[in-house]
This record gives sequence, structure tokens and C-alpha cells, in this order.
Amino acid sequence: SQQGEEDPQALSIQEGENATMNCSYKTSINNLQWYRQNSGRGLVHLILIRSNEREKHSGRLRVTLDTSKKSSSLLITASRAADTASYFCATDETGGFKTIFGAGTRLFVKA
Amino acid sequence: EPEVTQTPSHQVTQMGQEVILRCVPISNHLYFYWYRQILGQKVEFLVSFYNNEISEKSEIFDDQFSVERPDGSNFTLKIRSTKLEDSAMYFCASSEWVTGAYEQYFGPGTRLTVT
Repeated sequence: SQQGEEDPQALSIQEGENATMNCSYKTSINNLQWYRQNSGRGLVHLILIRSNEREKHSGRLRVTLDTSKKSSSLLITASRAADTASYFCATDETGGFKTIFGAGTRLFVKA
Repeated sequence: EPEVTQTPSHQVTQMGQEVILRCVPISNHLYFYWYRQILGQKVEFLVSFYNNEISEKSEIFDDQFSVERPDGSNFTLKIRSTKLEDSAMYFCASSEWVTGAYEQYFGPGTRLTVT
């Protein structure tokens, strides 16, 4: 079965630095999404990239998708302490009816 | 901004008891989902629901689980006889079709503790 896997598992950076998180998956997908989760809270949808797209921007977020390598990256530029959270990639292979989440990257931004 | 809501926020139950977790999806959404997250682990897909029937379900979603949309606004997950390993955070989500993709909006979750 397909599975999104993020790396690194944990990332600690200084405020103002950029944070890059990677995600790999195993099978063909329709789209890939990135979510954020603060400790003990719900999931917040950050960005969706379709399989025919290569790059997408939203504010300080930049997502790339390489379907030949079955990988995606999430870049957060000029990080802030408030960006501290877990970040998950999630893939849809069946038109959105079944979304598979990766294990997530725990990002800690030091003020 | 419309949001998905879930009740209760925390449910404590004894092993073997039935629980019903409730969700109110965003009103114009047509696709509904349940996920769970065991503490410290990743989010796991349980089931998706569209047009009053299950679209997909995972191997976790066995005969102990059921979903229902009893009226025009609620979407429920029932666990018939809870086990200790059902302790987790349960998230409801809903989505609409947005030109080829489904952007899912998640509720805040219900923390289920089985003792």
C-alpha cells in the first residue's frame, strides 16, 4: 500500500531561517497535500498540489512535486516561532476518497 | 469562516461499551471522512462517505465500526464494543470537489480514552 514518509522526523532551526521538509510516496497519486498540526490539536490544510503541477506557492510556503521521483518538499521561508508544529504530507490515489498520511516532521523554531 | 465541528471534545468510556462520535461537516460539502491518530503516531484513514454510502474504508474499519448521516447535518462514527487500542484522537473531515481535487477540512477532533 502507498505511504507518505517525511524526512527529517524532527527539525530544529532558528527564527528567520528556512525550513525544508521532504515527503516520499510509493504509488501513483492524484494529488498531494500538506497539513500542519499543533500539539494535541486538529489538522490545518496548508496547500494542495495536483499531480500535473510541479510547484505551488502560498505566502511563505513553497511546495514542489516530482512525480518521477515520487517525492514532494515543503519549504517554509523566514520561519517564525509560531511555525512550531508537526507537518504532514498526505496523498490521494483514488480521487480523494482515501487519503494516506505520512508520519510527519516535527518542526521546532527557536526564537 | 465555516468549519467542521466535533462533539464531544473528550470521551472516556469503559472497554466493551459503545461510543458515538459526532461531527457536523461544512454545510455545502458532500464528502465526509473519519481518521484516527493514536498518541504520537500518524493520522490513519478510517472511512470516506459520499451520497449516503461508504466510498472507501481501511482495514482498521472492521465490523465494530459504522458511520451514519442520520440527518442533513450530522455525520457519526459508532464503535460498538470499544477496546483499549481504540484509544486515540478521532478526526472528522469534509470536502467538496474543487476542479479535480478534494481539499479536506478537519474538525478539532474527539479524544477517546478507553479504560
